[in-house]
Amino acid sequence: EAGVAQSPRYKIIEKRQSVAFWCNPISGHATLYWYQQILGQGPKLLIQFQNNGVVDDSQLPKDRFSAERLKGVDSTLKIQPAKLEDSAVYLCASSYTTGYGNEQFFGPGTRLTVL
Amino acid sequence: AQSVTQLGSHVSVSEGALVLLRCNYSSSVPPYLFWYVQYPNQGLQLLLKYTSAATLVKGINGFEAEFKKSETSFHLTKPSAHMSDAAEYFCAVSERAGSARQLTFGSGTQLTVLP
Repeated sequence: EAGVAQSPRYKIIEKRQSVAFWCNPISGHATLYWYQQILGQGPKLLIQFQNNGVVDDSQLPKDRFSAERLKGVDSTLKIQPAKLEDSAVYLCASSYTTGYGNEQFFGPGTRLTVL
Repeated sequence: AQSVTQLGSHVSVSEGALVLLRCNYSSSVPPYLFWYVQYPNQGLQLLLKYTSAATLVKGINGFEAEFKKSETSFHLTKPSAHMSDAAEYFCAVSERAGSARQLTFGSGTQLTVLP
């Protein structure tokens, strides 16, 4: 079974530039999550999708971050414009449902450096 | 609101020694609890999870954790450390109520295994 795929793996940009990350979840997984992991911290949820609908985006900085999941499969996360504090690893995860204790499977992440 | 505290951001053990990584949670009701491991430049992998069955949970790679409600703890142990166990370990909690079933992560513990 293929895992969660993410691209690119690494990205370096200057502040005020824009950047986009792509995620392909495990086939059949209805729920998709984007996390931000700042160095030395645990992952923090940015947005959660159930199929192509948003379940929770309360921690997404909507003035600069946006995300979509067209057709309920792949997802993109965009930052525009980027700030220095956006330097982090962006993790995508998916799960079969949002059921209690349901395991989330994580991709390898995209490491973003903002200069 | 739920939260997770991992005591000790760095833990070093000798190969063959006991591994003990500490996790305490704060939640209004007994939650679901998870331990994830993250190897360098990789995503998070589930080690084990507690979902209200047996309080002693066995996971992969010889790890286990015990849920202690009276202590609000879910410490991770392994009887004998191996060099391949060197990684970062995250404890996470998920509330039983609500529709989102989100994970809240601790700040992580970096495990070093000394030869």
